[in-house]
Amino acid sequence: KAGVTQTPRYLIKTRGQQVTLSCSPISGHRSVSWYQQTPGQGLQFLFEYFSETQRNKGNFPGRFSGRQFSNSRSEMNVSTLELGDSALYLCASSRPETGGSYEQYFGPGTRLTVT
Amino acid sequence: LAKTTQPISMDSYEGQEVNITCSHNNIATNDYITWYQQFPSQGPRFIIQGYKTKVTNEVASLFIPADRKSSTLSLPRVSLSDTAVYYCLVGESYGGQNFVFGPGTRLSVLP
Repeated sequence: KAGVTQTPRYLIKTRGQQVTLSCSPISGHRSVSWYQQTPGQGLQFLFEYFSETQRNKGNFPGRFSGRQFSNSRSEMNVSTLELGDSALYLCASSRPETGGSYEQYFGPGTRLTVT
Repeated sequence: LAKTTQPISMDSYEGQEVNITCSHNNIATNDYITWYQQFPSQGPRFIIQGYKTKVTNEVASLFIPADRKSSTLSLPRVSLSDTAVYYCLVGESYGGQNFVFGPGTRLSVLP
């Protein structure tokens, strides 16, 4: 079974631009979560989508948004990029409806550099 | 979500057994305990999950006492490739997932 895939793997953007990152979950997984990882703040939860609906949201500004499509693929968008948005963005998928399982499968991440 | 506390770092030697303890005093009845491993510039990888007593898989064992206020991840006979950051998370999946990753434990395995 193919794992979680994220595209692109690396991205360089300029301050003020916007960026869209893509995530394809494991087949059959309907929950997709996004995380930001930086050396200073560690792994921080951005949001979770389940059945095309945002179910949970972390403490990030409105510049960070996402969506999920009917095939469970998800995208996240960051508008008006700031230098501090430089980070590894991780996507994770899971099957929460199995109950009691907190197991998420992470993708390799997208390394975003804002200059 | 229950807050967790782990040692920031640990050192071990190849071939030794490593035990990493996580405290979660306010764990809720429906919460599970899950451990992840992360190598630099990679996404975290699921290691093991448990609810109570002991769970063992091909990679590790997880010991959970009766009060469930702590848990211990046991890695048997570590190798250099086990050098990574290990995260302990506590929560349940029903109703949505909102992971709170702490700083984790940075394990360094020395030759």
